[in-house]
Amino acid sequence: QSALTQPASVSGSPGQSITISCTGTSSDGGSYNLVSWYQHHPGRAPKLVIYESTKRPSGISNRFSGSKSGNTASLTISGLQAEDEADYYCCSYVGSASWVFAGGTKLTVL
Amino acid sequence: QVQLVQSGAEVEKPGASVRVSCKTSGFTFNIYGFTWVRQAPGQGLEWVGWISANNGERAYAQKFQDRVTLTTDTSTSTIHMELRSLKSDDTAVYYCARVPGWKYYFDFWGQGTLVTVSS
Repeated sequence: QSALTQPASVSGSPGQSITISCTGTSSDGGSYNLVSWYQHHPGRAPKLVIYESTKRPSGISNRFSGSKSGNTASLTISGLQAEDEADYYCCSYVGSASWVFAGGTKLTVL
Repeated sequence: QVQLVQSGAEVEKPGASVRVSCKTSGFTFNIYGFTWVRQAPGQGLEWVGWISANNGERAYAQKFQDRVTLTTDTSTSTIHMELRSLKSDDTAVYYCARVPGWKYYFDFWGQGTLVTVSS
């Protein structure tokens, strides 16, 4: 079973950039080309913001970008806005029609 | 437009079963897969399982393998999740989400259904 690790929290001031990392174990078999990121405001449905590690869905601001290096995927949000304050989750496809989520990162906009 | 509308909140006793529905519209149902994800109070998102509306193929997270069943109803474009032998730590908001065919992400989500397990 895969295990993905994210920082519990990150923060930044309006206009700044932040990066959230998502690191998999070396033997997890996950594909870091198949990582997706979700924004989750409490009480609302999660929203897809990045898929296949680097692609942005239609309608998502270009302030959101994704990257990958080795067994780490990252989400960068530039030009932070108050509305970006939310929980962010990375999720990896791990084969056999199965997925795993990391524990989530709480983003605070100061 | 794409919509996934889930059934209402449920309160069940430990040991009981619960069935949550997710009615879809705005797209061709049987070319997509669907997944269920839950969030317990104060916890993160947890993947529960996946079903193909094309061929009924299913996959479940290991911890739910013996207690969950996902089904589809193509006549109403609805997916169902049944969770049996409920425990208090099954108390969570359960979300359905759409998986584009032969893709590996969840592009549209339902609004969530709170399932409370309490004696």
